[in-house]
Amino acid sequence: GQSLEQPSEVTAVEGAIVQINCTYQTSGFYGLSWYQQHDGGAPTFLSYNALDGLEETGRFSSFLSRSDSYGYLLLQELQMKDSASYFCAVRDGYQLIWGAGTKLIIKP
Amino acid sequence: EAGVAQSPRYKIIEKRQSVAFWCNPISGHATLYWYQQILGQGPKLLIQFQNNGVVDDSQLPKDRFSAERLKGVDSTLKIQPAKLEDSAVYLCASSPGRPPYEQYFGPGTRLTVT
Repeated sequence: GQSLEQPSEVTAVEGAIVQINCTYQTSGFYGLSWYQQHDGGAPTFLSYNALDGLEETGRFSSFLSRSDSYGYLLLQELQMKDSASYFCAVRDGYQLIWGAGTKLIIKP
Repeated sequence: EAGVAQSPRYKIIEKRQSVAFWCNPISGHATLYWYQQILGQGPKLLIQFQNNGVVDDSQLPKDRFSAERLKGVDSTLKIQPAKLEDSAVYLCASSPGRPPYEQYFGPGTRLTVT
């Protein structure tokens, strides 16, 4: 079967750093994407990793280890507006397989 | 550039009624997706089009759901007859189909079946 695992909920403090992990088991692998979704909103693209290593975009970074079938999203200098659900998704051929999402709760 | 457009934004129907959703993707995007998202879950792919051809509809309940993409642009998703468990947000997304394979989502249609 195909599965992605990520924590259902993570809590952090404003200004801190938080890491959201994602492990996957899929028949094929072309890349790992991360999406952000605010309550009542639509998912928006954050990052895509096709190769091992760290990709940085502003306060957000994404990491991939293909040998470990593992990736993470790192959010730095947390702001209240970062409160949202974060989804990892694996590109397997032409389809994108989504995780169940991690709800990030930020406390002041 | 204009984003993905969807309508209606909200719809309330009774079970066994029919409903249709419309999606206009970003101009030039060859790939179009319809997702169903139940509260607290990740998006579930219902159908994926490449231009006006179906790439994947393996999770589409074909006894009640149908979708088409005429002329490779706009798309409609229909449910007939609706069941209570169809209550969800229906998201349309489009993608240019090249790395990083970013999917651009519309605002979604929140369907409530009573």
